[in-house]
Amino acid sequence: AQTVTQSQPEMSVQEAETVTLSCTYDTSESNYYLFWYKQPPSRQMILVIRQEAYKQQNATENRFSVNFQKAAKSFSLKISDSQLGDTAMYFCAFMMGPSTGAGSYQLTFGKGTKLSVIP
Amino acid sequence: GAGVSQSPSNKVTEKGKDVELRCDPISGHTALYWYRQSLGQGLEFLIYFQGNSAPDKSGLPSDRFSAERTGGSVSTLTIQRTQQEDSAVYLCASSPQQGSLGGLSSNYGYTFGSGTRLTVV
Repeated sequence: AQTVTQSQPEMSVQEAETVTLSCTYDTSESNYYLFWYKQPPSRQMILVIRQEAYKQQNATENRFSVNFQKAAKSFSLKISDSQLGDTAMYFCAFMMGPSTGAGSYQLTFGKGTKLSVIP
Repeated sequence: GAGVSQSPSNKVTEKGKDVELRCDPISGHTALYWYRQSLGQGLEFLIYFQGNSAPDKSGLPSDRFSAERTGGSVSTLTIQRTQQEDSAVYLCASSPQQGSLGGLSSNYGYTFGSGTRLTVV
């Protein structure tokens, strides 16, 4: 079974600064996908960024980027130029790839990191 | 609809009562998922629907939990004889088809609803 670990229950960052959220995972699979989701107080899970394990290049989406270290099974999220609207819970998640034969494409989540952006 | 709709938004029930939680997925999305988020925890997979069938029910915690989906659309999660440990946020997500990987476009991939917060007193 896959596990996802987020070791930072809470973090804070000054507005306009950069913050990095950590995530490690454990799997024996070689084909999988990793995600960071944001959950604001509205409770809806919003996809921030996605990384395919077969891609060596780190994914980037505007102010959000990841540092994907496949050998170390590490997948950290960097938020640059932090904004007040970035305040939320952030969840790291894992999904097995289609070639594994797992048909449900369910996500396995970490316990989350509560990020507070301070004005 | 434009997004995944869940109702009720909040539900308070007495221990031992049955509850039904509803999920209305994005029109045309064939895959539907239920997750549970307990306080201070990440999301825990409950069940997956492809159309009206549920090929993966492995996350249902007990036989008090059941779910159905009709017409390839609306899904209902039923919890019988609720217990205090059932208190959680129940989130639903839908996806256009099996194998979609939660793409960044709101028109493609794994879209979550805002959940139902269930409190058992």
